[in-house]
Amino acid sequence: AQSVSQHNHHVILSEAASLELGCNYSYGGTVNLFWYVQYPGQHLQLLLKYFSGDPLVKGIKGFEAEFIKSKFSFNLRKPSVQWSDTAEYFCAVTWIKAAGNKLTFGGGTRVLVKP
Amino acid sequence: DAGVTQSPTHLIKTRGQQVTLRCSPKSGHDTVSWYQQALGQGPQFIFQYYEEEERQRGNFPDRFSGHQFPNYSSELNVNALLLGDSALYLCASSLPTGMGYTFGSGTRLTVV
Repeated sequence: AQSVSQHNHHVILSEAASLELGCNYSYGGTVNLFWYVQYPGQHLQLLLKYFSGDPLVKGIKGFEAEFIKSKFSFNLRKPSVQWSDTAEYFCAVTWIKAAGNKLTFGGGTRVLVKP
Repeated sequence: DAGVTQSPTHLIKTRGQQVTLRCSPKSGHDTVSWYQQALGQGPQFIFQYYEEEERQRGNFPDRFSGHQFPNYSSELNVNALLLGDSALYLCASSLPTGMGYTFGSGTRLTVV
């Protein structure tokens, strides 16, 4: 079965520190890749997505992600975090098939940014 | 505004009861997917509806069933509730291509 794994369950860092969250997915052909963020008490929001083209994708709120096909990875980065980036982050993948394109999530990484 | 509307927002049920959760998709979206998010875990795919048919199903028992109406809205039904069904249930709408999903705020179900 196809799967998505996120390496870190919890990350604690100080404001202005750099953030990198790892995401790997299992082989299964062509994929669409997503990062979602869930702020406390709020719904899942799309940070960025990759379908094709430039493997370095820029999203909202200063986030970016790099697709490395050979490593089946799609890591999320932010050069300088703010307290407001405290949230849970989910990597998600869709394996493109003839019918049905369900979104498969990783287990999430809970990020706490200390002021 | 998430664009996807779910109701109710919170629900408490007793073991063995049945529950129905509702979802209205974002305008222009015709595909609805349901997810279960247990505490501390990522959302798990339950099933997806398109053209009023179940198109894909995750690893959930038959106690979980759904329906999609002609206006694309959807219901998730869970029968014979177990304590382990306590979770946040998320609805996501999209186009059939799967190139973009919009999530609702979810229904928090507590089974006691």
